[in-house]
Amino acid sequence: GEDVEQSLFLSVREGDSSVINCTYTDSSSTYLYWYKQEPGAGLQLLTYIFSNMDMKQDQRLTVLLNKKDKHLSLRIADTQTGDSAIYFCAESGNSGYALNFGKGTSLLVTP
Amino acid sequence: DTAVSQTPKYLVTQMGNDKSIKCEQNLGHDTMYWYKQDSKKFLKIMFSYNNKELIINETVPNRFSPKSPDKAHLNLHINSLELGDSAVYFCASSPRGDQPQHFGDGTRLSIL
Repeated sequence: GEDVEQSLFLSVREGDSSVINCTYTDSSSTYLYWYKQEPGAGLQLLTYIFSNMDMKQDQRLTVLLNKKDKHLSLRIADTQTGDSAIYFCAESGNSGYALNFGKGTSLLVTP
Repeated sequence: DTAVSQTPKYLVTQMGNDKSIKCEQNLGHDTMYWYKQDSKKFLKIMFSYNNKELIINETVPNRFSPKSPDKAHLNLHINSLELGDSAVYFCASSPRGDQPQHFGDGTRLSIL
């Protein structure tokens, strides 16, 4: 199957910016996604980007897409303790009927 | 107003039993999915349905049988439960395939 890779852990101080990176292999994806999972909770669709865009901004969130390098990043500005969670990168793959997820990046925000 | 709702939230049962998880979405979406999240948090697609028709069956054992009575519901029935079935099962829906998917809160299945 196609691979989606993310670093497993990131720690930042409250108020700093966080950048979570992701690489993927399937260039046919129409959309690329970021999901957030808080402890014991479900998956929240945080943001997504259409594959013909290279940037999307939504309040504190900025998504950058480099299609040539198959690299996706999520920047969280002014990170808060409530942002502590696991962040999953996902791509919609060839069929579009299944998301391929990375293993998730655990973000820890310290005061 | 829950968009994608799954029941039950927790399911504890013994090996060999048969159990069902229900999923309903009130978003008017055409496509529904089941994913499995293992103990290491890895998420993998199990099934996807579009307008009650099976689109993807991702090498899931045939002990798992999804049923879609209408496009707002996709239930998951599991026969002869095994220890390795312990996981969190997520239901999701999207307007149609290849569009953003919205997830339920998950069902945590524990096999004793």
